[in-house]
This record gives sequence, C-alpha cells and structure tokens, in this order.
Amino acid sequence: AQSVTQLGSHVSVSEGALVLLRCNYSSSVPPYLFWYVQYPNQGLQLLLKYTSAATLVKGINGFEAEFKKSETSFHLTKPSAHMSDAAEYFCAVSAALGGKSTFGDGTTLTVKP
Amino acid sequence: NAGVTQTPKFRILKIGQSMTLQCTQDMNHNYMYWYRQDPGMGLKLIYYSVGAGITDKGEVPNGYNVSRSTTEDFPLRLELAAPSQTSVYFCASSYSGVAFFGQGTRLTVV
Repeated sequence: AQSVTQLGSHVSVSEGALVLLRCNYSSSVPPYLFWYVQYPNQGLQLLLKYTSAATLVKGINGFEAEFKKSETSFHLTKPSAHMSDAAEYFCAVSAALGGKSTFGDGTTLTVKP
Repeated sequence: NAGVTQTPKFRILKIGQSMTLQCTQDMNHNYMYWYRQDPGMGLKLIYYSVGAGITDKGEVPNGYNVSRSTTEDFPLRLELAAPSQTSVYFCASSYSGVAFFGQGTRLTVV
C-alpha cells in the first residue's frame, strides 16, 4: 500500500522568496517519487522524479526536491519564486517504475508581487 | 508528437444520459489511466490498463466502464450519468513511472 500527504493545501509566497511545498509518503517498498505541476485548465506535467539514485533531485524551472528516508519526506523547493510559478503542485508515489502512482491532494501555490 | 489527446474538452450531460470520453496516445505506452479531479480532492484513479486487452479498476470505478482494444486508445464510458460524476477527467499514459497527461475533459451533469 502507498499513500502521499501534502501538508498545506494553499501556500502563498512573495516573488523572490523561497518556495517550500511539503510531501510525506508511505510505502511498503522503496518508493519512486514524483512532483507534477498543473497550470490552469491544463493537464499535469512532470517537474522531477526520484528513482533511488541521488537523493537530491533537480527538475525543470529551478525546482528541486530532496528524498529523506528517515523522515519519509520528499519536499519541493525553489530558492526564488517567480510569478510564473503560480500553479497547483502534486506529489505522487509509486511502488514500481511501471506501476500506477498515487497522487496527493495537491498544493496551490500563489506568488504575490 | 501529439502525446495524449482527449476529446471532447467540454461536455454537458443530462442525468441518465450516456457518453464516451475518448483518449488516444501516440507514444506506444503500455500503461494508461483515467483519473477524475474534483476541487481540493486531488486525482482519483477510475480505471487503468497495463496493455491492450487488459483493464482493472482503480479507486472509484462505479458508474464507469473502459475498454482497451489497441495500445493507442483507452475510452471511458459513462452509463446513466449522475450529478456526482460532474468533474474534470484526465487520461494519462506512462513510461518508466512518468505519467503524461491529456488536457482534460470538463464534464457537467445537470
């Protein structure tokens, strides 16, 4: 069984501030973890993925996430928020690279000028 | 590449009507999925398929049916539409764990 909890359904930051979106997972086997972004009226797009190689994963648009097994976390960060980062972000976990993913409920990121 | 294509983009159904949401992908992915997205509820898996001729239920399959006769196509059938099926529906395919999503179908049942 696998599950994902995203802490905070809404996060608001000022432009230029640090972005931190939290994700904790539960998995009975070593997990594969993903972050996706959804812009209004669009489907989800992959930001980055963890597949048991490096624990710090870099993605597109300056985002990165760190896998911490001891904390069962995979938080998403970006040093400096941009207005274009405003979107909904989803964390997902999969037990196998070919298996189906379980998605969190999403976090809406608002960026204030 | 078109990726994952869903049609229609919008649809209004009356209670009790039926319809098919179309989904096709041109990436030759074996795995395909249907999700529904309700506000603040994330994505819920309706049905999935690991290859042509094979389908299985997800978390919320009631009121829906699927078929997978080819690798490319994975239509979702709604029988006897109900207001509870008002949602945004996403089709996705995946390779090596990464999911590729269509643009979604916004369905309203009135």
